[in-house]
Amino acid sequence: NAGVMQNPRHLVRRRGQEARLRCSPMKGHSHVYWYRQLPEEGLKFMVYLQKENIIDESGMPKERFSAEFPKEGPSILRIQQVVRGDSAAYFCASSPPATVSSYNEQFFGPGTRLTVL
Amino acid sequence: AQSVTQLDSQVPVFEEAPVELRCNYSSSVSVYLFWYVQYPNQGLQLLLKYLSGSTLVKGINGFEAEFNKSQTSFHLRKPSVHISDTAEYFCAVRNSGGYQKVTFGIGTKLQVIP
Repeated sequence: NAGVMQNPRHLVRRRGQEARLRCSPMKGHSHVYWYRQLPEEGLKFMVYLQKENIIDESGMPKERFSAEFPKEGPSILRIQQVVRGDSAAYFCASSPPATVSSYNEQFFGPGTRLTVL
Repeated sequence: AQSVTQLDSQVPVFEEAPVELRCNYSSSVSVYLFWYVQYPNQGLQLLLKYLSGSTLVKGINGFEAEFNKSQTSFHLRKPSVHISDTAEYFCAVRNSGGYQKVTFGIGTKLQVIP
């Protein structure tokens, strides 16, 4: 059973370009979470998605950032008009469906390291 | 709102010596607690977790942690470290039950010295 897959592993963009980061969850997982790790900081939650639905985007910057998790295919985190401050490692995690009483572990991918020149 | 405090940003320790990485959290409700390890240029790997029950939790690679509710702490320990333990360690917390966001500390870099 393959783990969470993220690609590309490294991405270089110039200021003003778009960055598209992909995340394929583990088999059987329908929930995806995106986190950002800025240099010398811990991971910060960005967004939580289920198939075709955004459940919680309270950690997403209001502008330039968007995320989707279509019925088919990977989850995409899209950053438009990137700036130097977007340089970070972006991690995706996936989990099986949550219930009120159960614990659903999040499994992390290897991350995409975005460098904005 | 929750928060996690890892007071030590870097911890150097000699090989085969014991180590303790400190973690304190704040939350107004019951929580789950986690320690993750991140090796250079890799993702996060779960070391151990506390959900309920025994407050002493054993994880992979010989690590253990103790949940102390009165002190709101979840310190990570290993009695004898190896070079291969050199990595960054993150403490994390989330509210128990259903979907909840995970809040991470800023991490502690463990440097094992030969």
